[in-house]
Order: sequence, then structure tokens, then C-alpha cells
Amino acid sequence: SQKIEQNSEALNIQEGKTATLTCNYTNYSPAYLQWYRQDPGRGPVFLLLIRENEKEKRKERLKVTFDTTLKQSLFHITASQPADSATYLCALGTSGNTGKLIFGQGTTLQVKP
Amino acid sequence: EAGVAQSPRYKIIEKRQSVAFWCNPISGHATLYWYQQILGQGPKLLIQFQNNGVVDDSQLPKDRFSAERLKGVDSTLKIQPAKLEDSAVYLCASKLPSGSEQYFGPGTRLTVT
Repeated sequence: SQKIEQNSEALNIQEGKTATLTCNYTNYSPAYLQWYRQDPGRGPVFLLLIRENEKEKRKERLKVTFDTTLKQSLFHITASQPADSATYLCALGTSGNTGKLIFGQGTTLQVKP
Repeated sequence: EAGVAQSPRYKIIEKRQSVAFWCNPISGHATLYWYQQILGQGPKLLIQFQNNGVVDDSQLPKDRFSAERLKGVDSTLKIQPAKLEDSAVYLCASKLPSGSEQYFGPGTRLTVT
């Protein structure tokens, strides 16, 4: 069956360290993968998109990798700050023009000062 | 640029009652999505519109849920009659036809008692 799995446990790290979040999927062939940030009481906010033919994407302190052989994406936040504390969602994008996304359950990150 | 607007922000109803949610997408965004997000889970797509036509409603419980997007702008999602398991946040998102990034509204938190 199709499945998307993110770290189910909350991730607690110290300020300044690198946070690494995992997104694994089975029985999907996504054309691209997106990462969103969601704060309590708010809708998700887009962070990064990586396509199936890309290995790595960076934006400021954020880095995403995409391994279609392992069926895994890793999301890194370097030099983490307490303001990075939030839930991070990975979403698989199907091919074609519909833009349909299938979301993982999210991982909650807590950065302690 | 104004974001995606949703109302109401909160709604409490008793089971078997009906409820409606409203969404106003970002101007120019032809694609509109309604998601259901149960606590601790990622958003789950209910229905997708392209202008005023339905692209995907495969996960919409059509015996109780309905949605429309008259004139290809605002959209309304209705539940009738509501069940306890419908308690969730209902998120509206929109995107440009050429883009992949989805812009989410703040959501409507529904509690069914």
C-alpha cells in the first residue's frame, strides 16, 4: 500500500545545531517533493520544492535532498534557532498538471535556546 | 498581496447538524483545494477545482460533503449531516495554474459534539 512516513517523534535540538528531518515513502513515484512549515493555528507555508531529477536544493539555511532510489527526502535546517520551532510537512507531488499533493503526517521540531 | 481568506475560523456544532465553510483564494489563482487536517495528521485532499470545474473529488465523502466554486473564484464546502469524526481543521489552498507551490489559508477549526 502507499505510505508516506515522517519522524513520528518530535525532534528536540539545541540552538545552533543542524536539524535533520526525514520523509520516506513507498509505492509512489513522485515527480517532485515539497516541504512546508506549519505553525499552531495556521495553514502550511511553502518552503522548498525539489524535482525527481534533482539531488539537492538549498535556500538560505535550508537544504533538501531527494533520493528516488531510497525513496527518501531529507530536510536540513542549519544553525537552527528557536524561531524554527514548528511542524514540518513533506508532500509528494504527482506528475501532470493537477498539482495534487499527498502530505506526510509532519514532524514537530523544537529548538531550545 | 492578500493571502487566502477563510471563514469562519472556528465552528462548534452538534452531530447531525450542517455547516458551511467559505474560502476566497488569492486573486488570479485558478486552482483551489480543500483539505481536511485531523489533529496530529497531515492535510488530506478532499476536492480540487480548476476554475469552476472539479478536477479531483475522489476522497470527498459525497454522501455528506459537497463543495462548489461558482464563477471560479470563491468556494464553499458544506457538511450535512456532520459526524463526530468530522472534527478537524478544514484548509483551503490555491495556486497559479503554472506553479506547484500551494498557498494555504488559516483554516477553519470544526468541533462536532
